Order: sequence, then structure tokens, then C-alpha cells
Amino acid sequence: QKEVEQNSGPLSVPEGAIASLNCTYSDRGSQSFFWYRQYSGKSPELIMFIYSNGDKEDGRFTAQLNKASQYVSLLIRDSQPSDSATYLCAVNMIAGGTSYGKLTFGQGTILTVHP
Amino acid sequence: DAGVTQSPTHLIKTRGQQVTLRCSPKSGHDTVSWYQQALGQGPQFIFQYYEEEERQRGNFPDRFSGHQFPNYSSELNVNALLLGDSALYLCASSWDQALNEQFFGPGTRLTVL
Repeated sequence: QKEVEQNSGPLSVPEGAIASLNCTYSDRGSQSFFWYRQYSGKSPELIMFIYSNGDKEDGRFTAQLNKASQYVSLLIRDSQPSDSATYLCAVNMIAGGTSYGKLTFGQGTILTVHP
Repeated sequence: DAGVTQSPTHLIKTRGQQVTLRCSPKSGHDTVSWYQQALGQGPQFIFQYYEEEERQRGNFPDRFSGHQFPNYSSELNVNALLLGDSALYLCASSWDQALNEQFFGPGTRLTVL
């Protein structure tokens, strides 16, 4: 079992729709969860992070965390063609009591928003 | 305010050679982490430097080593290059008191022939 799993996609949604991206993780001790966006040929860009169970909203983006199910998701409302990118889920796992911010990434989900 | 910078942008080496990649963190940041991203995969943690010491390490062989300088900039060294070392090497900087906010540099694309 991979430590952080994402559906590689591609996920295709029409412009204006809601895109839903999902991620599961294996370490129950994980504390922080991140979503990064990566355009082709570029480096990852932090979209948002979440610590607590529930929802966290930032503009068109909503992160949802369910620690009991070891599941985190990202919703993108009113999707735009410029949102087309690879979305990386990352988890800050605890090893030996400390993590120092080490991020464990999933393989990423390719999102395509078509006009 | 300059963001994270990395050099060089691209690099081509042959098997067995050695390579040094460089990273300057964002202003105000004191912690540098290095990641390797193979094509089609998520980044993998190599190691992290803080106060000029390697603080944490991922599952990478000793061929991968690093250094952090007093000005917080960092180098990643890879010896005895293998074809499988071809990847995008990413540097991420953060502030030790806010390690959750890591900002990535543009990366160095290494090709090993």
C-alpha cells in the first residue's frame, strides 16, 4: 500500500463545473495535509493546507479532511481552463515523534478543464 | 522579495559523473528541503537542512549528500550518477517555526545519459 494515494486521472470537467480530487493516506499519525498545483514543466505551488477535520475554504478551493477515514479531498468550484494542471496531495507524516515538515506526496491527479 | 532560486535550470551529465545543484531559500527562511521528482510521479523527499546540519533524510543512498551554508543556501551533491537519477530536483524553503508552509523553487532538470 502506498503511503499517499491519488487517482492519477486524467479527470476531465467542463468549464464552470466542480472538480473533485481525492487522496487517501496510510499513517494515522499524520497531522497536516496539503494540496499543491503543478503546471506542466513547472514546480509545485501550494494551494492550501488543512489540519483539522472538516472543511477549509479559500476562494474557489475547499479542502476537506476526514482523519477517521484517512481521506482528504480538494474541491474546485467554477473550474476554469487555467485550473488544468496536476494536483498533488501531500501529507506531513510523523516518524519517531517528529516530522520536521517532511512531505510525502501522492503521484498526482491530472485535471483537464475543457471550455 | 525574491522567492526560492535554483541553479542551474538544466543539466546533462553522463553515468558515473558527479553533480552539484544549488538553492537559495526565500528571504526569511532558514530551512531547506530537497526533493526528487521523476517524470509522472510526485516529489520524493531526499533530506532537509537546518542550522547547517542534515536534520532528516528520506530513503536515498549515500551517493546523495548535501550542505547548508551560514546564509541558509544549500547544495545537493550526487556522486556516481545513474540513469535513474534523471529527474527534476526541487528545493523547498521554509521557516523552522512554520514548516508547513514550504515554497518550492523552479527546480533543476537533470538528465543522465
